[in-house]
Amino acid sequence: SQQGEEDPQALSIQEGENATMNCSYKTSINNLQWYRQNSGRGLVHLILIRSNEREKHSGRLRVTLDTSKKSSSLLITASRAADTASYFCATSNSGGYQKVTFGTGTKLQVIP
Amino acid sequence: DTEVTQTPKHLVMGMTNKKSLKCEQHMGHRAMYWYKQKAKKPPELMFVYSYEKLSINESVPSRFSPECPNSSLLNLHLHALQPEDSALYLCASSDSSRPLAGGTDTQYFGPGTRLTVL
Repeated sequence: SQQGEEDPQALSIQEGENATMNCSYKTSINNLQWYRQNSGRGLVHLILIRSNEREKHSGRLRVTLDTSKKSSSLLITASRAADTASYFCATSNSGGYQKVTFGTGTKLQVIP
Repeated sequence: DTEVTQTPKHLVMGMTNKKSLKCEQHMGHRAMYWYKQKAKKPPELMFVYSYEKLSINESVPSRFSPECPNSSLLNLHLHALQPEDSALYLCASSDSSRPLAGGTDTQYFGPGTRLTVL
């Protein structure tokens, strides 16, 4: 299985702090994406990083990708209570770009 | 419009019932997906439709039957389900353009249908 492993499984921080979550995967990839899911709802796409990119920014989000280590990290700066959610990395490999496999997820709680 | 809609929001059914889940998107996406998500787990891919044809079936039991009547609609027909099939069922769509042509795998998800099988 290509499923990514994320750590930590759960993270609790104070509002204003930064949150970092990590994703490791097993096989070569086309790209890696991060999604957010509020409790029991649909997923929202946050950011996509291609396999030939090393870092990408979007607002308060910073994503890095290290293909040699098969790992990625998502940094959320200046967190807000509204950032409380589960975060999943998702990978698609060279062979099947429509088949996206989700990681195990990190549950983030931001305390006001 | 970047919205994917799903109906119903909640569904309770018995093991002998037949029901259907519906999904609709108007983004012109030609790839549509069904995922199953159990509590505290990541979504698991069930089916992928590309240009209205079934392209991926992740060995899903035949009690789940997908249908894509047109490029905007995706149905999941349910029959003789088991209590362990209770889960959140998510629909998604994406631009099916090939990566070399600039397309991506970014998927747009609906809010899901919470299914309970008694």
